Formats: sequence, C-alpha cells, structure tokens
Amino acid sequence: GDSVTQMEGPVTLSEEAFLTINCTYTATGYPSLFWYVQYPGEGLQLLLKATKADDKGSNKGFEATYRKETTSFHLEKGSVQVSDSAVYFCALEASGGSNYKLTFGKGTLLTVNP
Amino acid sequence: DGGITQSPKYLFRKEGQNVTLSCEQNLNHDAMYWYRQDPGQGLRLIYYSQIVNDFQKGDIAEGYSVSREKKESFPLTVTSAQKNPTAFYLCASSPGNWNQPQHFGDGTRLSIL
Repeated sequence: GDSVTQMEGPVTLSEEAFLTINCTYTATGYPSLFWYVQYPGEGLQLLLKATKADDKGSNKGFEATYRKETTSFHLEKGSVQVSDSAVYFCALEASGGSNYKLTFGKGTLLTVNP
Repeated sequence: DGGITQSPKYLFRKEGQNVTLSCEQNLNHDAMYWYRQDPGQGLRLIYYSQIVNDFQKGDIAEGYSVSREKKESFPLTVTSAQKNPTAFYLCASSPGNWNQPQHFGDGTRLSIL
C-alpha cells in the first residue's frame, strides 16, 4: 500500500540556519504530495503542495520539489525563524480511485532556538 | 470566515462511557474526515465521508462510530469498545476532488478519567 517516510526528529536548529526535512514515499501511479505544519495545540495547516513530477511547491520561504525518480519530496528553507518551530507532516494522495484519502508520515518536530 | 469548528477543545470520559466529538464546517465541502493523532505515530484515519448519508471505515475504525446527516456536520462517537481512547482527534474536510488539500479543525483532546 501507499506509505510516507519522514526523517525522524526532533530537529533542533539555531535561527537563520538552513533546514531540510527528508520525505520519501511509496505509491502507485502519480500521487499528489503535500507538506502540512502543526503548531502546538492546533490542527494542521497546508504549507505547500505539488501535483506532478518536477513541480516545486513553495510558501513562506519553504520549498519542496516533487522528484519522481527518487520518490522524494524534501522540505527546505534557507533561513529558519523561531516562529517556524512546529511539527511538519509530509503526505500523499494517491492518484486514481475516488476516495481522496491522505497518507501521512509520522511527523518531524522542529525546534528553532534564538 | 469559513472554516472547521471542533468542540469541545478538551473532553474527559469515564471508563465505560460513550462520548461524542463535534465537527462542523461552513466551507461547503462534500468530503469530511476524522483522524486520531498519537505522539510519534502521525495521523491515522478513523472514518471518512464523501457525501451526505454515506461514510466509510478508515484504518482504525474499531470502537468508533460516525453519522453524516447534514453536509456541514460529521460527529464522531468514541464508544466504550475503544480500549485506548486517550488521544488528540482531528476533523478535516475537502471539496472531494483530486489534489484539493484537506482543511483541518483545531482538534479535540480526549482523556480518560
């Protein structure tokens, strides 16, 4: 079945450091890929998405490129801020079918220190 | 503003009791979902509904029940058959089309007294 594997956290960085959170997936066909962010005590918010190979999603300084050859969708940000501290989830939606379900990774906790 | 409202934010249950979590959306979305979140396990799908009066089991439906009598509402009942109900529960909705992202509520934290 479909699955998403994220790098295990927690990840601790200093402000202005470069961030990479790795995400790889297993799915048939051409899934859509998403990154969600969860701040403490809240639900998930969509951060960015990509729907086909080589697409780059971007938002709030975060970027991720859909790499079909490596089945990856790594999240990057050039300079993190304290306000970026949160849990980040990679997710996929399988192509075809009719149920539009998301499969999530286990999440990566990011802590940014001033 | 359009969005998803989950209530209450915190809920306590005694052993052997059923409890119902509320989820309401005013986004006019066709599809709604319930997830359970446990530390270090990500989100697991409990139930989902693509249209009024229809719903399907997700990956961990045992001990839970839902109804979808109105488009805006998708309540989740945690029954006494759920042996480990303490968790953070998240409701989501989407238009029900491919590659349209899901929108999430702020969650309900359920604890057993």
